[in-house]
Amino acid sequence: QAGLTQPPSVSKGLGQTATLTCTGNSNNVGNQGAVWLQQNQGHPPKILSDRDNNRPSGISERVSASRSGNTVSLTITGLQPEDETDYYCSAWDTNIGAWLFGGGTRLTVL
Amino acid sequence: EVQLVDSGGGLVQPGGSLRLSCATSGFIFTNSWMTWVRQAPGKGLQWVASINPDGSDKYYVDSVKGRFTISRDNAKNSLYLQMKGLRVEETAVYYCGDNDLGWGQGTLVTVSS
Repeated sequence: QAGLTQPPSVSKGLGQTATLTCTGNSNNVGNQGAVWLQQNQGHPPKILSDRDNNRPSGISERVSASRSGNTVSLTITGLQPEDETDYYCSAWDTNIGAWLFGGGTRLTVL
Repeated sequence: EVQLVDSGGGLVQPGGSLRLSCATSGFIFTNSWMTWVRQAPGKGLQWVASINPDGSDKYYVDSVKGRFTISRDNAKNSLYLQMKGLRVEETAVYYCGDNDLGWGQGTLVTVSS
């Protein structure tokens, strides 16, 4: 099962805005939306945004998600040192009956 | 608060078997799809299997079909993953949960001789 496409790395300065992207197709991202996950080294993944682009309780207002066609984006404003970690997108594929994951984006805050 | 506690990991020889368990609380388990994903050392997340709320539908990544079985006990609010024929490359931290729910802390499975 092929995965979703994410850039391996993104670098932005402290206080700046980072936008991470994730591309799938009409069988997954395009009709199901995608979840964004944040994962710090040695910890389980944490949901930042659900399939409807809503933030779960406790997630910073600096985080927002959106979708355009088969691509979803995660935007983090006012970058802080603690934002430097790995981010994954994931979407259910209705054609093959599977959760697909992107390869992950490592966000570096300079 | 959603709580997911994975257990059952350990060291197993290639070709061996292991059964993972996930104890849950804080949400309506009987209404929830549940999933296992895994993460090999230094690698990304990989979906392994999912099961629907009443256990009648199960989905697996191609590489584990015929060797792994996902199951649930709705009376105990628990999820399981029976793994047989384990391979060295399946060494990973296995997480239970779901992308609509959250993820447990993970349990490490090491396949090595």
